[in-house]
Amino acid sequence: DAGITQSPRHKVTETGTPVTLRCHQTENHRYMYWYRQDPGHGLRLIHYSYGVKDTDKGEVSDGYSVSRSKTEDFLLTLESATSSQTSVYFCAIRPTGVTTDTQYFGPGTRLTVL
Amino acid sequence: AQTVTQSQPEMSVQEAETVTLSCTYDTSESDYYLFWYKQPPSRQMILVIRQEAYKQQNATENRFSVNFQKAAKSFSLKISDSQLGDAAMYFCAASGSRLTFGEGTQLTVNP
Repeated sequence: DAGITQSPRHKVTETGTPVTLRCHQTENHRYMYWYRQDPGHGLRLIHYSYGVKDTDKGEVSDGYSVSRSKTEDFLLTLESATSSQTSVYFCAIRPTGVTTDTQYFGPGTRLTVL
Repeated sequence: AQTVTQSQPEMSVQEAETVTLSCTYDTSESDYYLFWYKQPPSRQMILVIRQEAYKQQNATENRFSVNFQKAAKSFSLKISDSQLGDAAMYFCAASGSRLTFGEGTQLTVNP
């Protein structure tokens, strides 16, 4: 258990509404990540953070923004949700102080945009 | 760009038998790691095994082992004495500057 929680775990929303997903960790890890999982694509990186207020884009960042105002929380926002953003979203952390590049994942959030 | 390919969308194995899942990758990184993650129906992503690319010795974790062929950029996962609880989607992944995943292999274990 890497001490990662995601909220909400399930959400149904309508096209055009804003949505914010929260990732919370309890172990002060510096690196945090947001991925989306779609059939036929595995997991793809949306955004990541390497510290408070330090974030960068991944390969599928269009339509998403992130914020990290404190170490333990990494927020993913869909400013105006679209049906193509229906997916399962995973947060991950990478422990620092080790050299294995290993990421550990939260339980995921299933988002449906109608 | 870094790529990971899993050519077997589905595999099946009889309980107690051995199965091998295939993975190939391509990276320009000189220092990288390779991983297998398991995703059961609960959706949780669980780390199964990892391999440091600079190590020639294949990693082993209980019934799970890998066959790492660096020159061929191949990284297969062998599951020995398969159990019903091994049924899941398995993802191969490669790290460098980013963690890149394959599309997954759905493993069915038949009793």
